[in-house]
Amino acid sequence: AQSVSQHNHHVILSEAASLELGCNYSYGGTVNLFWYVQYPGQHLQLLLKYFSGDPLVKGIKGFEAEFIKSKFSFNLRKPSVQWSDTAEYFCAVREVDTSGTYKYIFGTGTRLKVLA
Amino acid sequence: IAGITQAPTSQILAAGRRMTLRCTQDMRHNAMYWYRQDLGLGLRLIHYSNTAGTTGKGEVPDGYSVSRANTDDFPLTLASAVPSQTSVYFCASSVGAGNEQFFGPGTRLTVL
Repeated sequence: AQSVSQHNHHVILSEAASLELGCNYSYGGTVNLFWYVQYPGQHLQLLLKYFSGDPLVKGIKGFEAEFIKSKFSFNLRKPSVQWSDTAEYFCAVREVDTSGTYKYIFGTGTRLKVLA
Repeated sequence: IAGITQAPTSQILAAGRRMTLRCTQDMRHNAMYWYRQDLGLGLRLIHYSNTAGTTGKGEVPDGYSVSRANTDDFPLTLASAVPSQTSVYFCASSVGAGNEQFFGPGTRLTVL
């Protein structure tokens, strides 16, 4: 079955540290990729997305992600985190099979805590 | 601009009772989704609807039903609640199937 793996379940960083959150998926066909963020007490919102074109995608709040097709990865990065980045981050993959049916699968999430 | 609203915000329910979680969007999105969020399991799709009048099963549909009589509303019904359905439920919508999803604020449901 297709799956999305986020290997880091909990990450603790100090302010100004660099961040990289891993996301790997198992589907070999056409995919669209997303990162969502859930701040404490809030609902999910989109950080960035990749549909096609430049595999390095820039999103809101200084986040970026790189799609590496050969590695089935879409890792999220930020050069210098802030306390306000404390949140849970979800990778999501939209897969399209040969019949045109799509599946939208979320990873289990990574909880990031940034220490002031 | 409300986006997506969900009701109730939270609910405590006795096992065996019937419950309907409401979801309404005002963005005229074609597709709508219901997820449950559980610690360590992330978001799992329960049911979805690509357009008004159609619905489909997601990853964990058992014990839940949905209807999509119109574009705006997508209620989720638990016919006979069980404790394992204790969770936070999120409704989402997108312009088209598979596009960026917009999420509602969630409903925290506890089944005793």
